[in-house]
Amino acid sequence: GAVVSQHPSRVICKSGTSVKIECRSLDFQATTMFWYRQFPKQSLMLMATSNEGSKATYEQGVEKDKFLINHASLTLSTLTVTSAHPEDSSFYICSAYAGHYLAEQYFGPGTRLTVT
Amino acid sequence: RKEVEQDPGPFNVPEGATVAFNCTYSNSASQSFFWYRQDCRKEPKLLMSVYSSGNEDGRFTAQLNRASQYISLLIRDSKLSDSATYLCVVIENTGGFKTIFGAGTRLFVKA
Repeated sequence: GAVVSQHPSRVICKSGTSVKIECRSLDFQATTMFWYRQFPKQSLMLMATSNEGSKATYEQGVEKDKFLINHASLTLSTLTVTSAHPEDSSFYICSAYAGHYLAEQYFGPGTRLTVT
Repeated sequence: RKEVEQDPGPFNVPEGATVAFNCTYSNSASQSFFWYRQDCRKEPKLLMSVYSSGNEDGRFTAQLNRASQYISLLIRDSKLSDSATYLCVVIENTGGFKTIFGAGTRLFVKA
């Protein structure tokens, strides 16, 4: 199956700093990428939908100024958590969609963010 | 009401047992349905699609009942390696498509 990578896999940062997470589709072009957040023992919650070359669409309750998403190419989307706080500590997962069969949404391995 | 609801679990079963998971969804216009598997601290992986006609893949059988807005997953002859969280996933098309995950049901298969 298709491969999606995320970097970094784990990051620890101090409160108030910004963290950038990269999501890359390695062997296909992703028309759409999704960003999810998962808190312990909870399900994935969609944060935003990112289409190449256009502004991301954010889900209700997700601050677009805090979670900056850039989808500059068909293989790369970035999520920047600005001025991170301890409550932002979570597992962030991206997925990439090739635009064909709806199930073809390939997930990255996730990034575990800990804000101290 | 949650958009996608699943059995809370956890399910603790012995090896070889048959276990069934249930899921209901609230939007009758939902288009596509899937079961994903998620291991601890890992990303979800597609297990199988769900169709009204049923879908069987080895020990796994998935079923969709659109009238009842109900999805099921049956695992026969459980293996230790089946221990994971099973996520019911529904895709809605509201202009662009939106993936909605259920909270997941945790399965523990014990020797």
